[in-house]
Amino acid sequence: DSGVTQTPKHLITATGQRVTLRCSPRSGDLSVYWYQQSLDQGLQFLIQYYNGEERAKGNILERFSAQQFPDLHSELNLSSLELGDSALYFCASSSPGTSAHNEQFFGPGTRLTVL
Amino acid sequence: ELKVEQNPLFLSMQEGKNYTIYCNYSTTSDRLYWYRQDPGKSLESLFVLLSNGAVKQEGRLMASLDTKARLSTLHITAAVHDLSATYFCAVSNAGKSTFGDGTTLTVKP
Repeated sequence: DSGVTQTPKHLITATGQRVTLRCSPRSGDLSVYWYQQSLDQGLQFLIQYYNGEERAKGNILERFSAQQFPDLHSELNLSSLELGDSALYFCASSSPGTSAHNEQFFGPGTRLTVL
Repeated sequence: ELKVEQNPLFLSMQEGKNYTIYCNYSTTSDRLYWYRQDPGKSLESLFVLLSNGAVKQEGRLMASLDTKARLSTLHITAAVHDLSATYFCAVSNAGKSTFGDGTTLTVKP
């Protein structure tokens, strides 16, 4: 158990809908990262937040948005869902500073199925 | 655009044998990660490599980094069945990670 929690574990929804995925980082970790894993595109970095602020942005679609709240949990919002958005979505967290070399600890993931 | 190439993509080994997985990347980076993923599971961090010449070992796995050649290797010594999994390398630049396609390792008795 990495200490990172994600809810829900599974989500089934229809095209055009909007969903919210939630992530709680390990205690003390300030950074949260979101990743998408699909058979077509492999593992892709979406976005990073550090202590509430966006820090780095990857291949995140405009239909997707994220935020990190004052209690450091993060949410990934996916809207106007398409079939191709079906994937595993992981969040990871890392501790501040360089002592852990920003080792990332991954949550169990949310499996999104868009029908 | 940073590209990461892993090879081989599939590796079938016999128990007790040694092998190396290679991870090549196209531009400079500030750190390199190795992860393990079991089927249907999340990613487990194995190593974080920062500097040229860095070598880290954990059990039967050893990772190294050559930043000049833009190459990292994951060496498996005396493989055992429990090492069967998919191994990913990821190269990070300013917080953005780019992953290789993964190497699926099967260790057979």
